[in-house]
Amino acid sequence: EVHLLESGGGLVQPGGSLRLSCAASGFTFSSYAMFWVRQAPGKGLEWVSGFSGDADGDETSYADSVKGRFTISRDNSKNTLYLQMNSLRAEDTAIYYCAEGQSASIYSTMDVWGQGTTVTVSS
Amino acid sequence: DIVMTQSPDSLAVSLGERVTINCKSSQSVLYSSNNKEYLGWYQQKPGQPPRLLIYWASTRESGVPDRFSGSGSGTDFTLTISALQAEDVAVYYCHQHYTLPPTFGQGTKLEIK
Repeated sequence: EVHLLESGGGLVQPGGSLRLSCAASGFTFSSYAMFWVRQAPGKGLEWVSGFSGDADGDETSYADSVKGRFTISRDNSKNTLYLQMNSLRAEDTAIYYCAEGQSASIYSTMDVWGQGTTVTVSS
Repeated sequence: DIVMTQSPDSLAVSLGERVTINCKSSQSVLYSSNNKEYLGWYQQKPGQPPRLLIYWASTRESGVPDRFSGSGSGTDFTLTISALQAEDVAVYYCHQHYTLPPTFGQGTKLEIK
């Protein structure tokens, strides 16, 4: 069974940094694209970033709202996805979900999601 | 970015009745090379992560009850629940992954009348 467990969320001041992790199990991690999606309190879903699987050449992509501030990475030896978040703003406050793609392509849909980790940016 | 617009924003339906949720994309999400619509539907219950219901516009994810179905092509898509059950109370999102960044509709909140 596929399982995704996010960690690393918390309270941080504006301008601060956090590193989120997503530990994956139950599938061949390196073969699948992985994604971060966030949901601000009481709001809808916003795609944040994606990282393709190894068959698709390590392609990454970011939403304009986080480009230049967030960095996605993966360690296939540890079956773990990361999101380094710098220069955090109040509008980055959200639940951050990790999700598995249906294929290696960064254009794949997201079929399994973790429970999420909460990031709060406030002074 | 492709804008996804759902209608209605919310609806209340009686148990056992049919539910229809619409989603319109600002441009086609059909990838001509494989003839697939890059459109999916998610269900999100309170306090839970989203759950994939439908992908490729009309393919039901494994384990999803067959009362859920998806249809449509090009820019207009529909999620249908044939007979509403109490456990279907949730927010439903359409999602395009044809272009980067992938985008979601604003969500449709479904309640029991």
